[in-house]
Amino acid sequence: EEQLLQSGAEVKKPGESLKISCKGSRNTFAKYWIGWVRQRPGKGLEWMGIIYPSDSDTRYRPSFQGQVTISADRSSDTAYLQWSSLRASDTATYFCARFEIGSVFVFDVWGQGTKVTVSP
Amino acid sequence: DIQLTQSPSTLAASVGDRVTITCRASEDVLNWLAWYQQKPGAAPKLLIYRASILHTGVPSRFSASGSGTEFTLTIHSLQPDDLATYYCQHYDDYSGTFGQGTNVESK
Repeated sequence: EEQLLQSGAEVKKPGESLKISCKGSRNTFAKYWIGWVRQRPGKGLEWMGIIYPSDSDTRYRPSFQGQVTISADRSSDTAYLQWSSLRASDTATYFCARFEIGSVFVFDVWGQGTKVTVSP
Repeated sequence: DIQLTQSPSTLAASVGDRVTITCRASEDVLNWLAWYQQKPGAAPKLLIYRASILHTGVPSRFSASGSGTEFTLTIHSLQPDDLATYYCQHYDDYSGTFGQGTNVESK
């Protein structure tokens, strides 16, 4: 069974940088896109963007463009989501998920989520 | 930018009830619509893709239909394990979007 394993919870201060990770299998990173989804406390799911690890083609939802950076490392089959300067509004749980693009366009395998808390 | 609007936002039902959730798209999305289930503290799970196809392992009491701009997810006999929040999702033009969610709670 395919799995995505995310890094652990983070507590940061406003203005700090952060990079969270999502590790999958060689098969997943060779053939699929990896996406990131934000869920603020008590709120719904928000699509952030997706990356194709094989060539690093990245597609951001416009509202997240410039706010975060999505990257991937094929040598370690790991995707990343990073911030250069966190804000309190970045407090959320972030999910990575495998995105099937081409026939169904869905997230079919999800990570367990990484909780990020940004507080003075 | 396509918007997805779900109704209702919250739904109270009893075990055994038939439950229907609607997702309306602001533009024609053909049948490129998926449904997810999320329980508190857990990651979402894919239920339905291409508007009506059950993902592997999803119980047959779930069904979905629709095309164009109006879609429905039906739970034919609600079970305790089905109490959760349900989201529709579409991907188009290099970006995706989710509906705002429908919380199915116990009456």
